[in-house]
Amino acid sequence: AQSVTQLDSQVPVFEEAPVELRCNYSSSVSVYLFWYVQYPNQGLQLLLKYLSGSTLVKGINGFEAEFNKSQTSFHLRKPSVHISDTAEYFCAVRSGGYNKLIFGAGTRLAVHP
Amino acid sequence: GAVVSQHPSWVICKSGTSVKIECRSLDFQATTMFWYRQFPKQSLMLMATSNEGSKATYEQGVEKDKFLINHASLTLSTLTVTSAHPEDSSFYICSAQPPGPNGETQYFGPGTRLLVL
Repeated sequence: AQSVTQLDSQVPVFEEAPVELRCNYSSSVSVYLFWYVQYPNQGLQLLLKYLSGSTLVKGINGFEAEFNKSQTSFHLRKPSVHISDTAEYFCAVRSGGYNKLIFGAGTRLAVHP
Repeated sequence: GAVVSQHPSWVICKSGTSVKIECRSLDFQATTMFWYRQFPKQSLMLMATSNEGSKATYEQGVEKDKFLINHASLTLSTLTVTSAHPEDSSFYICSAQPPGPNGETQYFGPGTRLLVL
């Protein structure tokens, strides 16, 4: 069975500092991996996705993530955060051949001035 | 591209009434749409998978007679909460999956907040 673990429920950080949001998954087959962002009272917006190929994936708003198959991780990073990055971030996995997305519990990123 | 809309964005209703929520893919056709429920400060819980022209597939524990799903066209799926009760109050989010090269990705609507009094 697939599962996704987001290791930090909350991450406080100062503006312009770097940030890493951690995500680990478990799956016995090949996977597609996603990061979504949710601003208050809104739906989810796709930040980036890994389907195949290069393990370093660049997304919108300056975010990037690296797929590490041996560590079954897909951590999200940004070198310098802004106040506007304050939001909830969800990591999700989908196994090849299955439609369903399995979501992590979410990480609340709080950027302080 | 890949824009999904939901209507209404929020709704307040009396206990015992039914509420219909629409999910539309605006610039692509979606053979598959998904309905999620999200409680405050929690992750998304998949309720059902909606396939155009066939019956929806419900997740375990989701009452199909209470949450009626209709996927009548390639751009529209509806969720009807029948005989709503206060415990049905929640944030409902749909997503749509396009065919072709982006078929692995779900694109989400803005959500509908339901409050049952």
